[in-house]
Amino acid sequence: RKEVEQDPGPFNVPEGATVAFNCTYSNSASQSFFWYRQDCRKEPKLLMSVYSSGNEDGRFTAQLNRASQYISLLIRDSKLSDSATYLCVVNPNNAGNMLTFGGGTRLMVKP
Amino acid sequence: GAVVSQHPSRVICKSGTSVKIECRSLDFQATTMFWYRQFPKQSLMLMATSNEGSKATYEQGVEKDKFLINHASLTLSTLTVTSAHPEDSSFYICSARDKTSGIYEQYFGPGTRLTVT
Repeated sequence: RKEVEQDPGPFNVPEGATVAFNCTYSNSASQSFFWYRQDCRKEPKLLMSVYSSGNEDGRFTAQLNRASQYISLLIRDSKLSDSATYLCVVNPNNAGNMLTFGGGTRLMVKP
Repeated sequence: GAVVSQHPSRVICKSGTSVKIECRSLDFQATTMFWYRQFPKQSLMLMATSNEGSKATYEQGVEKDKFLINHASLTLSTLTVTSAHPEDSSFYICSARDKTSGIYEQYFGPGTRLTVT
């Protein structure tokens, strides 16, 4: 079983749609969680951290369910510019500062 | 925001030669830098963790004698791919953690695309 698993997609949605991505992680002791965005042939960029209480940043909402070891990202009112690969990222050991990346979910927003 | 640069952005080399990639944190100090490799349509795979002033820690399956890492200062880490082979062709990305940050976020460089012919 992979440490961080994501549905690779692609998710093809029209502009304005709401889309949700899910991610599961295997290490129950993991403490820090993030969503990164990666455009084609570019480096990943931090989209948002994921907090236990859930957090929202504009059109983006992230949630964490520790009991189920499950993280989600919700994008409302999708824009063409949201087209990218979204990476679920887990820090399995805060002391080590290492990140474990999921395989990514590809989103394509169409006019 | 924190900025990480990499040089070169793209390099083509012949099989058997060595290539050095630089990773710099431009506006912060990074005690720890990370080197990743990404093959097409795959996710990032951590190769090694580089700590300033000490030896790098390599992930299982990564040859330390082939991928030489030097973290000489708080703002610079280098990765040298020695005796490169075509299978080493990949997208190499470094990241750095802000020394003063209490949050475990990493900032990524723009990546170096290596092609070995």
